[in-house]
Amino acid sequence: DQQVKQNSPSLSVQEGRISILNCDYTNSMFDYFLWYKKYPAEGPTFLISISSIKDKNEDGRFTVFLNKSAKHLSLHIVPSQPGDSAVYFCAASGTGRRALTFGSGTRLQVQP
Amino acid sequence: DTAVSQTPKYLVTQMGNDKSIKCEQNLGHDTMYWYKQDSKKFLKIMFSYNNKELIINETVPNRFSPKSPDKAHLNLHINSLELGDSAVYFCASSQSDLGEQGGTEAFFGQGTRLTVV
Repeated sequence: DQQVKQNSPSLSVQEGRISILNCDYTNSMFDYFLWYKKYPAEGPTFLISISSIKDKNEDGRFTVFLNKSAKHLSLHIVPSQPGDSAVYFCAASGTGRRALTFGSGTRLQVQP
Repeated sequence: DTAVSQTPKYLVTQMGNDKSIKCEQNLGHDTMYWYKQDSKKFLKIMFSYNNKELIINETVPNRFSPKSPDKAHLNLHINSLELGDSAVYFCASSQSDLGEQGGTEAFFGQGTRLTVV
């Protein structure tokens, strides 16, 4: 029972363009959402988060959008850089769920 | 100075052996976790400790036993290793219980790749 879903296993974009990574969730108890970035042979690194009381959070080139009615969030990276090439995991937590629930990840490749 | 460190990074062992993976965090966090990343790359919670108290114990074989000597350490001991235990195991910590309202992020170690042969 996948409560957090990332339906695109991979995404390829050109350097300088926008990367959009999507995530859907099913559990209405989730109220905090996070994106992690992972390079090979390293642990996931926290990137950006958003609380359910907001619909947008921005940090430099990274913006996360939350659509609660659709139970959907997305991560926008603009402009994309080759160093952004990694696997991006969407994660969620909420009252009563005392750990992060992760999606399966999307591999982003930014072409120079 | 690594925030969450786990050792060893790689572990190759034979079926039936007993092994331990150690984890330490120097962030002063109250909560620590063990996650397993399987061959399909899913990251799944195994255990969580808050101030040395076990708060999450997912459906994990009882051959896996976490031990938290203090709130900065959470070790994972695995008995009678099986081929299916091969995976990458990640330790993580967070400042507070992730179930609390408001949310917080978790910080991860570099992972331990366990290969059972």
